[in-house]
Amino acid sequence: DAKTTQPTSMDCAEGRAANLPCNHSTISGNEYVYWYRQIHSQGPQYIIHGLKNNETNEMASLIITEDRKSSTLILPHATLRDTAVYYCIPLPPFLSNTGKLIFGQGTTLQVKP
Amino acid sequence: AAGVIQSPRHLIKEKRETATLKCYPIPRHDTVYWYQQGPGQDPQFLISFYEKMQSDKGSIPDRFSAQQFSDYHSELNMSSLELGDSALYFCASSATGDQNTEAFFGQGTRLTVV
Repeated sequence: DAKTTQPTSMDCAEGRAANLPCNHSTISGNEYVYWYRQIHSQGPQYIIHGLKNNETNEMASLIITEDRKSSTLILPHATLRDTAVYYCIPLPPFLSNTGKLIFGQGTTLQVKP
Repeated sequence: AAGVIQSPRHLIKEKRETATLKCYPIPRHDTVYWYQQGPGQDPQFLISFYEKMQSDKGSIPDRFSAQQFSDYHSELNMSSLELGDSALYFCASSATGDQNTEAFFGQGTRLTVV
């Protein structure tokens, strides 16, 4: 399984963009990059995933570098409700993997008024 | 939209007792995952089921067992409870395909062993 490195914590002002980086230099060619977040003591919540192209959905954007060794999750207009622990998780396609998520350290994002 | 339902939400048990946690996946989801999250820890994968068969196993103690039933709901059975079993237990479900789809998590069961 690919190892990831994320900052332990980050602050962001409300209304500004939050950019959360993740290094996954050992990621395999067929592994997707998934992002989940966990608001205090709630169940983790899926945000977005991608393989090599940038992705955008209603929650966030995902920028993956061309060499796929790192990615950045962007929350375009952070709100207080975005305060959470954010996890970057490489995951092989289903046929190579059962879909289990390995949660690493994650980044605690604190959005401040 | 229907979400993953876990019951009970809170459970208090004494040492050496048994506990059963239930998980009802999203309709038409065929895979269920169980995770344990101790205080201040990240969620740890315990076990998963696909189409009622165990598909993967993580750091699940031998005192714990689980199964997925014909209606796809799953139960986690925990025996000889220890103080260290106090944690949040999350269930997640997903619909499998030729590539991974996202897993949806329930709100968890908070187990306290006293």
